[in-house]
Amino acid sequence: AQSVAQPEDQVNVAEGNPLTVKCTYSVSGNPYLFWYVQYPNRGLQFLLKYITGDNLVKGSYGFEAEFNKSQTSFHLKKPSALVSDSALYFCAVRPRGAGGYQKVTFGIGTKLQVIP
Amino acid sequence: GAVVSQHPSRVICKSGTSVKIECRSLDFQATTMFWYRQFPKKSLMLMATSNEGSKATYEQGVEKDKFLINHASLTLSTLTVTSAHPEDSSFYICSASPGREAFFGQGTRLTVV
Repeated sequence: AQSVAQPEDQVNVAEGNPLTVKCTYSVSGNPYLFWYVQYPNRGLQFLLKYITGDNLVKGSYGFEAEFNKSQTSFHLKKPSALVSDSALYFCAVRPRGAGGYQKVTFGIGTKLQVIP
Repeated sequence: GAVVSQHPSRVICKSGTSVKIECRSLDFQATTMFWYRQFPKKSLMLMATSNEGSKATYEQGVEKDKFLINHASLTLSTLTVTSAHPEDSSFYICSASPGREAFFGQGTRLTVV
């Protein structure tokens, strides 16, 4: 069974400071890894993904994530936080396989609060 | 990225009535769509996998007679909450995948009064 852990329920960071939202996973083989962001009463928006290749993945809105195979982690980062980044962030894993039927497993979510 | 449209975004219904939620893939065909339920401050719970032209696959603990899923075409899946009760009030989200990543609808906030 695959699982995703987001150890922090909430992360507070001052505007302009770097931010990190942590994610670790447990899955057999090499999964696809994703980050999604959710604003209040909205669906999830895709931020970035790791498929293969460079361990540092760059995504939307200046976010990036670093894949660390030995630590089975995929932490989300941004060099300089904006107040508008305040939202709920989900890490997700999906097994490698053909077709669109592979289930995505989500972490419980981390609320990011950027303080002006 | 691909677009998944969900409708309605918000619905209030009386207890005992049924509510239908639509999920459409606008620029790709989706033989499979997923329905999730999100509780306050909780992660997404996968309810069922919707398969075009066949029966949906429900996760353990999800009542198939309560949450009816129909995937009649390659671009449309519907979730009907039958005989809704206040405990069914929640945020429901659908997703579909044209490739590796999943794209999500805007979500539907269901309130049963």
